[in-house]
Amino acid sequence: QKEVEQDPGPLSVPEGAIVSLNCTYSNSAFQYFMWYRQYSRKGPELLMYTYSSGNKEDGRFTAQVDKSSKYISLFIRDSQPSDSATYLCAMSALSGGSYIPTFGRGTSLIVHP
Amino acid sequence: IAGITQAPTSQILAAGRRMTLRCTQDMRHNAMYWYRQDLGLGLRLIHYSNTAGTTGKGEVPDGYSVSRANTDDFPLTLASAVPSQTSVYFCASSDGGYDTQYFGPGTRLTVL
Repeated sequence: QKEVEQDPGPLSVPEGAIVSLNCTYSNSAFQYFMWYRQYSRKGPELLMYTYSSGNKEDGRFTAQVDKSSKYISLFIRDSQPSDSATYLCAMSALSGGSYIPTFGRGTSLIVHP
Repeated sequence: IAGITQAPTSQILAAGRRMTLRCTQDMRHNAMYWYRQDLGLGLRLIHYSNTAGTTGKGEVPDGYSVSRANTDDFPLTLASAVPSQTSVYFCASSDGGYDTQYFGPGTRLTVL
């Protein structure tokens, strides 16, 4: 079992829908949690990061962390076709003096008009 | 240059050949990383460097080597390429701390 589990999808939703993307993890030492967005044939780009349990909001995006359940989520409100991409969760813990993130496999999201 | 650049964009290589993938960043980040991304397997860390002059092994280091002579450059070398090294390679950098990373555009490598 990988340290970080993420359903690869694809997840297909209509424009305007609320999207929920999720990851579970097994390493309780993870302290920082990140979401990256990757468009086709591009490098991942950081979307959001958070340190503690709870919610963090940025525009249409909300990142949620539940450390007790080892579960993180990314919600996208009023989804747009331009949100179609692969979303990767990542999380890191201090190891050997540095933080090396562990990535989920990514969830492919398709928002159709 | 803005951010991270990688070269070449894509390459087809004969098995057994030596190949160096180049990565340069202009953000003066201390940490740099090399990942490979394969369908169904996600991003896997090959090697990393926390600061110039130091390197470390990631999850899949075999068949790859790196060097970090200065802050800006972090080349990845395949000494003798094999078909299983066919992948998309991403270089990333971070200014440390909790390691939110900035990625380059990737190099698509095909080994025949």
